[in-house]
Amino acid sequence: GAGVSQSPRYKVAKRGQDVALRCDPISGHVSLFWYQQALGQGPEFLTYFQNEAQLDKSGLPSDRFFAERPEGSVSTLKIQRTQQEDSAVYLCASSLALASGGISYNEQFFGPGTRLTVL
Amino acid sequence: AQSVTQLGSHVSVSEGALVLLRCNYSSSVPPYLFWYVQYPNQGLQLLLKYTTGATLVKGINGFEAEFKKSETSFHLTKPSAHMSDAAEYFCAVTRGSGTYKYIFGTGTRLKVLA
Repeated sequence: GAGVSQSPRYKVAKRGQDVALRCDPISGHVSLFWYQQALGQGPEFLTYFQNEAQLDKSGLPSDRFFAERPEGSVSTLKIQRTQQEDSAVYLCASSLALASGGISYNEQFFGPGTRLTVL
Repeated sequence: AQSVTQLGSHVSVSEGALVLLRCNYSSSVPPYLFWYVQYPNQGLQLLLKYTTGATLVKGINGFEAEFKKSETSFHLTKPSAHMSDAAEYFCAVTRGSGTYKYIFGTGTRLKVLA
């Protein structure tokens, strides 16, 4: 498939455990975003990468949250010492995000998300 | 700063009736606006988007939305609701390029009554 993929789709963790969530963006997409969607809420921005550079991490709720994209493609969101309030769906999105010939590509394509439940 | 307000967290319509989901935005720069639909346990699917040009935008599944700058609105409509339209709908705003985060509204859950 050519879409954004995320794994695992579901993750159950005991409070205090560390978790790692993976995102495979669309091949060639420069920009990658992570969002957190709490139950009954809209997605909220966590962090943004352009290639391997993390340009914005203003949405990360605490220093327990860490994201990386070392080779500019696959990204991992890591949550250390998980808490119950971390329970949410974590969405990854990617966009081509390059201006080419006067056309800017701005649409973000979303993955199916990882549903994290912290017990 | 940008923000989105979706009026009505729950909307119920009868099958065949008009669907109207409201979205108002705030933006200090020309906005790019989106409507997404989310079915249970699924990701976000793009319904339609406004970037530049024509203010009436047509999307998939018979939905359309009109960008009204004077009213800072981008309401989603569909002339005739179908049972399969029952889902959660999110309005989002962003700046022009794909390098900016999306700001989402809190969502509207649409229920279609037989």
